[in-house]
Amino acid sequence: DQQVKQNSPSLSVQEGRISILNCDYTNSMFDYFLWYKKYPAEGPTFLISISSIKDKNEDGRFTVFLNKSAKHLSLHIVPSQPGDSAVYFCARTNFGNEKLTFGTGTRLTIIP
Amino acid sequence: GAGVSQSPSNKVTEKGKDVELRCDPISGHTALYWYRQSLGQGLEFLIYFQGNSAPDKSGLPSDRFSAERTGGSVSTLTIQRTQQEDSAVYLCASSHDNTGELFFGEGSRLTVL
Repeated sequence: DQQVKQNSPSLSVQEGRISILNCDYTNSMFDYFLWYKKYPAEGPTFLISISSIKDKNEDGRFTVFLNKSAKHLSLHIVPSQPGDSAVYFCARTNFGNEKLTFGTGTRLTIIP
Repeated sequence: GAGVSQSPSNKVTEKGKDVELRCDPISGHTALYWYRQSLGQGLEFLIYFQGNSAPDKSGLPSDRFSAERTGGSVSTLTIQRTQQEDSAVYLCASSHDNTGELFFGEGSRLTVL
């Protein structure tokens, strides 16, 4: 069973500081990992992704790190802004298997 | 707009009634997904369509749940004899490739009294 786990249901970070969101996974092989962001009353939106052949992917203020030996995925947001306050979901999929498996989410609150 | 459209946005029904939820994917997207999010829970996979066929329907919780897709476009999710535990936000998403980048609609909030 391929799972992703987000063990922190919530996180508060001061504006301008770094936000680090974490995700652990099991039984990976040629997976693709993604982060989605969700505002209340809206559908999730894709944020950033990384394939299992890479260790890092960066897009502006967002960087995703993949530690394959620890089976750990993290999303860094720096500097954090009030508009980053949302629920963040990590997700995984296999190449050729289009189903996404999501974590339970982490609610990020940026304190002005 | 050009995004994924879902209807109704809100549905309140009585226990035992049937409900039908509709999803209009982004034009040209061959893959379509249904997920649901119960209160305080993560996103639970229900079913996935590639064109009109459903290669993976492993997430449908019971035989009261069914879904179809016609013309490679619109999909309907039907829940028969609704129960209170069916209350959730039902999210539809579509995609045009297999990189995992899904485009979600705003969801249909179902409340079963």
